[in-house]
Amino acid sequence: EVQLLESGGGLVQPGGSLRLSCAASAFTFRNYAMTWVRQAPGKGLEWVSAISTSGGTTYYADSVKGRFTISRDNSKNTLYLQMNSLRAEDTAVYYCAKGKGAVTSPVDYWGQGTLVTVSS
Amino acid sequence: DIQMTQSPSSLSASVGDRVTITCQASQDISNYLNWYQQKPGKAPKLLIYDASNLETGVPSRFSGSGSGTEFTFTISSLQPEDIAIYYCQHYDNVPLTFGQGTKLAIK
Repeated sequence: EVQLLESGGGLVQPGGSLRLSCAASAFTFRNYAMTWVRQAPGKGLEWVSAISTSGGTTYYADSVKGRFTISRDNSKNTLYLQMNSLRAEDTAVYYCAKGKGAVTSPVDYWGQGTLVTVSS
Repeated sequence: DIQMTQSPSSLSASVGDRVTITCQASQDISNYLNWYQQKPGKAPKLLIYDASNLETGVPSRFSGSGSGTEFTFTISSLQPEDIAIYYCQHYDNVPLTFGQGTKLAIK
């Protein structure tokens, strides 16, 4: 069964950095685009970033562009999200998600999420 | 960016009722639309993709229709386990925006 296991969340001060990881298993990781989606407490879903199968093409929401960097290591079946210059409004559960194919495709599997709290 | 507008934002229905949620896109997205279900404390689950295709393993009481800018999600006979928040999402281009969600409760 497809599994996506996020890690790296926690409490960080405004202006700080965190690196999220997502370990994938039970599917051929290098064949699928991957996505990060976040959900602020009590709020809806927000698409954050996506990366192509090779990692050569990346996409970002305007709200995180220039501060977040998505990457992947296909040899380790792992997706990353480097988050810099964090703000209070970045506080959310961050989900790693697998696409059915390309970046512009339905997300069919989600991780359990990791909570990022930005607060002093 | 394409905006997705869901309605209603919340609704209450009885077990066995037919429930309908609508999603409007701010521009033509063909049939590039998903519907997700999210239960409290859980990750979202894909129910419908390509506007009307049922994801494997999803009960047939769930269905979707529409194309262009107007889409509909239907539960033919509401069950207690269907209590959740439902989201539409387009995947025509990036950013793949979500609707604001519809919270479904049992009357």
